[in-house]
Amino acid sequence: KQEVTQIPAALSVPEGENLVLNCSFTDSAIYNLQWFRQDPGKGLTSLLLIQSSQREQTSGRLNASLDKSSGRSTLYIAASQPGDSATYLCAVRPQNSGGSNYKLTFGKGTLLTVNP
Amino acid sequence: NAGVTQTPKFQVLKTGQSMTLQCAQDMNHNSMYWYRQDPGMGLRLIYYSASEGTTDKGEVPNGYNVSRLNKREFSLRLESAAPSQTSVYFCASSSDASVRGYTFGSGTRLTVV
Repeated sequence: KQEVTQIPAALSVPEGENLVLNCSFTDSAIYNLQWFRQDPGKGLTSLLLIQSSQREQTSGRLNASLDKSSGRSTLYIAASQPGDSATYLCAVRPQNSGGSNYKLTFGKGTLLTVNP
Repeated sequence: NAGVTQTPKFQVLKTGQSMTLQCAQDMNHNSMYWYRQDPGMGLRLIYYSASEGTTDKGEVPNGYNVSRLNKREFSLRLESAAPSQTSVYFCASSSDASVRGYTFGSGTRLTVV
């Protein structure tokens, strides 16, 4: 059974700092990995999706990397801002999951606080 | 804006009452999902639907029923609400295009007293 772990559970940094959030998974047979952001009391917003054949994806100040063989992904946030404060979740899609129907396995998230 | 719409956003029920959570997506996605999110437990899959007319149980289906009314709509019903069902419920959808992944609704916060 796939298990996804995110460490640390919470992280507090000063504004302007570069930071890395970690995600590890136990079964390397994945199709892709997706990073989400969740603001308090809100739904999940997709940030980046990395296919199993890719090493990284970038969007603005965000860069996500994937090392499938070691079961790890990182989300790098450059020049953090107070508006980046949120919970960040990663989720993996199983390898043998063609088509549109597939079940993601989620980590429990990292609560990020960026202090002004 | 295109996406996943959930109603209601908030609901308080008494133990034993019933209610239906509604979810609709306008992205022409085939698959839809219902999750619950609880502190310390993360997101847990309740039911999912691969296509119109089909539904399957997820990790925590007990106490819930679902209906895939058409391609757009996927509802979740609590027949006899219990305090253990106090949670935040999220609906999501996915398409064949692997580059898009899941799209989530904004959630329904349900309290059962």
